[in-house]
Amino acid sequence: EAQVTQNPRYLITVTGKKLTVTCSQNMNHEYMSWYRQDPGLGLRQIYYSMNVEVTDKGDVPEGYKVSRKEKRNFPLILESPSPNQTSLYFCASRYRGGHNEQFFGPGTRLTVL
Amino acid sequence: AQSVTQLGSHVSVSEGALVLLRCNYSSSVPPYLFWYVQYPNQGLQLLLKYTSAATLVKGINGFEAEFKKSETSFHLTKPSAHMSDAAEYFCAVNYGGSQGNLIFGKGTKLSVKP
Repeated sequence: EAQVTQNPRYLITVTGKKLTVTCSQNMNHEYMSWYRQDPGLGLRQIYYSMNVEVTDKGDVPEGYKVSRKEKRNFPLILESPSPNQTSLYFCASRYRGGHNEQFFGPGTRLTVL
Repeated sequence: AQSVTQLGSHVSVSEGALVLLRCNYSSSVPPYLFWYVQYPNQGLQLLLKYTSAATLVKGINGFEAEFKKSETSFHLTKPSAHMSDAAEYFCAVNYGGSQGNLIFGKGTKLSVKP
């Protein structure tokens, strides 16, 4: 089944404790992206990647890191999480063209205490 | 800055009534336009998309949207609401072609009353 998977789905952590949210897609998509969703703000892009070893900042990159060492994986790293990073996070992927549908993962709900 | 605006953060309709969710974009050059739906505790699912073919686009679950260049709009409609349509709906726009990123509206939460 074609899908985008994220792990973990739920995470409660404390300020300053490094964490990684994994994202994997099995559709051979070139483009992958991370978003955060907050009430009343919609989805805001954190980072995106056009292909392996090519990543770039989105609208809200501060406090986050990403890497794209393999085409299928695009992990999101929070080196020192803070409470303002409490949010719902979505990974997405698509083929290269901007007219193509983006497929979304199920989401990761992160709480930073 | 390029943007996308959804009018109304909450819309409530009765079952069987017309659903109209509004979306306006900000560029004079027609972008790629999408509507996504998010059911409670789920990810986003594509409803429909406009990519410069027909201006009236039909999607899943009886939804459709009409691209109007003169109004820079891409409103989502459904003739008769079902209880199962209760969800949050997001309009999204890609202004940058193949290299572009999706810009999302803030979402409209649709409630359907029995």
